[in-house]
Parts: sequence; C-alpha cells; structure tokens
Amino acid sequence: GENVEQHPSTLSVQEGDSAVIKCTYSDSASNYFPWYKQELGKRPQLIIDIRSNVGEKKDQRIAVTLNKTAKHFSLHITETQPEDSAVYFCAASRQNTGNQFYFGTGTSLTVIP
Amino acid sequence: SAVISQKPSRDICQRGTSLTIQCQVDSQVTMMFWYRQQPGQSLTLIATANQGSEATYESGFVIDKFPISRPNLTFSTLTVSNMSPEDSSIYLCSAQRGAGGTGELFFGEGSRLTVL
Repeated sequence: GENVEQHPSTLSVQEGDSAVIKCTYSDSASNYFPWYKQELGKRPQLIIDIRSNVGEKKDQRIAVTLNKTAKHFSLHITETQPEDSAVYFCAASRQNTGNQFYFGTGTSLTVIP
Repeated sequence: SAVISQKPSRDICQRGTSLTIQCQVDSQVTMMFWYRQQPGQSLTLIATANQGSEATYESGFVIDKFPISRPNLTFSTLTVSNMSPEDSSIYLCSAQRGAGGTGELFFGEGSRLTVL
C-alpha cells in the first residue's frame, strides 16, 4: 500500500513568517494530494488539494507544490497568523482506483504572536 | 459539501464488550471509509465500506475485530469487537462524493472510545 511520510512533526514560526511542510509518497499511481487542517478536538478539514496533472496550486496565503518525479509535495503558508495554529496532515490517494486516502504523520504548527 | 453524523460521539466501555458506531451522511456518496486516530497521532485507514458487500480491510485490520456494514449509499456502521484498552481511540467515518469517487474527503466528528 501507499506510504506517506511528513516532516517536520512540529513547527513553530513567528506571526507573519512563512511555514513549509513537506511530504513524500511511495505509490507512483497516486494522483490526488489533499492537505487537511485539524484543530484540537475537531474533525480534519480540507484546506487545499492538488492533482497529479498540476505542479502548483495557490489559494490566497496557502499554496501546494507537487514534484511527481521525486514523489514529494509541499504545503506553503505565507503571512502566518495565530489562527493557522493546528495540526496539518498531507494525504495521497489513487482516484478512480480504490480511492483510499493515506495520511502522513501530521505536523503541529504553532504561530507565535 | 457533505454533512456526516456519527454516534455515539463518545463512550466508555468495558474490556471484552463490543460497540457499534453509526455513520449517517446527508446525501448519497460514492465512497465511505473508516479511520482510527489515537490521541496526537495520524489517521489510520481501517477499511473501505463497500455498499452491499464485504468491506475492504487494510493490513493489520480484520473483519472479526472490526465488522463493517454499508447497506446503502448514506449509512455505514463500524463495530469494535471484544474491546481491549488498546482499542481506546477516536474512530472517524469519512465519505467522498463525485463521479467515480473523485473529490474531497469529508469527515464526521468522530467517536471517542475509552476502554477500561
């Protein structure tokens, strides 16, 4: 099955700085890569996703990049705010073939005011 | 989006007993999955709930321990059988809508089980 690794496990940044979280995956057939944000005691919620036919996607302060050859993808958060503090999970999935989503180990992001 | 309701939201169970978690989606979905999340840990896929047939289990999870049903496109149950303290965790139902099962994966609020 798919193996998704995620780094770092914890990340602290000053408010206004950027944060970068990196993931690698093992299954070259994975073609959909979402990122989820989970606040304490809450359900995971999708913040951005990217498909394998795209190299980069941006949504306001959040961007995701994908390198299919190297099988890694990254989440970039610019101008961080205290409300960005949460645990972030990357995931990989083969859409249209099983569709199972496999998650990384998570990154606990703390934005220091 | 899809609204997913799970119950119970939490329970305290005795060792050796079984508990069934129910998951209801507000509209028809293509795919449903069950995850386990231990405190401070990642989401581990238990199985894919297949409508009208046996669930597809991930390595390390077996039907005898985690029987799953999915009688229709909006409802699924997960039973945690013969529980031990190691089964204490949050169990999350998730669903995906879309032609061929493409698109966002939505989660329920989770069911927090504590086994004594």
